[in-house]
Amino acid sequence: ETGVTQTPRHLVMGMTNKKSLKCEQHLGHNAMYWYKQSAKKPLELMFVYNFKEQTENNSVPSRFSPECPNSSHLFLHLHTLQPEDSALYLCASSQDWVAGSRDTQYFGPGTRLTVL
Amino acid sequence: GDSVTQMEGPVTLSEEAFLTINCTYTATGYPSLFWYVQYPGEGLQLLLKATKADDKGSNKGFEATYRKETTSFHLEKGSVQVSDSAVYFCALTPSSSNTGKLIFGQGTTLQVKP
Repeated sequence: ETGVTQTPRHLVMGMTNKKSLKCEQHLGHNAMYWYKQSAKKPLELMFVYNFKEQTENNSVPSRFSPECPNSSHLFLHLHTLQPEDSALYLCASSQDWVAGSRDTQYFGPGTRLTVL
Repeated sequence: GDSVTQMEGPVTLSEEAFLTINCTYTATGYPSLFWYVQYPGEGLQLLLKATKADDKGSNKGFEATYRKETTSFHLEKGSVQVSDSAVYFCALTPSSSNTGKLIFGQGTTLQVKP
């Protein structure tokens, strides 16, 4: 399988549930990203990992917890979410982040999350 | 802070019409500029990019030129097809960024009718 894959593609959860989103990239990249795409807002960066280290947390609530066990996998653990967290969650990867490199980011198809 | 502004959609065109989607940005220095496209039910795909002033990015008949003087990166295509119907996002990576973050515009929906 090539590119960036995300599972599940669709997820419905209650506010008291705990679930995880998974992202896997098969591109040999070292940087991975989580973005949130809401219906009425521009795409928002949530987290950045570079060589498995978190390098950016864009003021994301603690009910979203990322995990990057290796350069190929990225998880987003969800707990006690709110209905306003319903959105499309997109994962992306790039070669790595070296200052000034401006590498292209490649996106997965996203997970459509609905919080009831 | 840095930001991207796109023309509001939806944009509805007939097949073979000329397309322009406006994009302007606010940023210090020389950001890298991108156009991404999102087809229904899919993730974002890079359409084209430009990394310095006066660069022209092109792909699949689409073009955009990095205009520093007008802080713009308008997307154009001479003859659109029904298959071009999608949401188009303009984005930038700030020159000062040390994390590779992309800042997106709100997206413009393009509908092409036969």
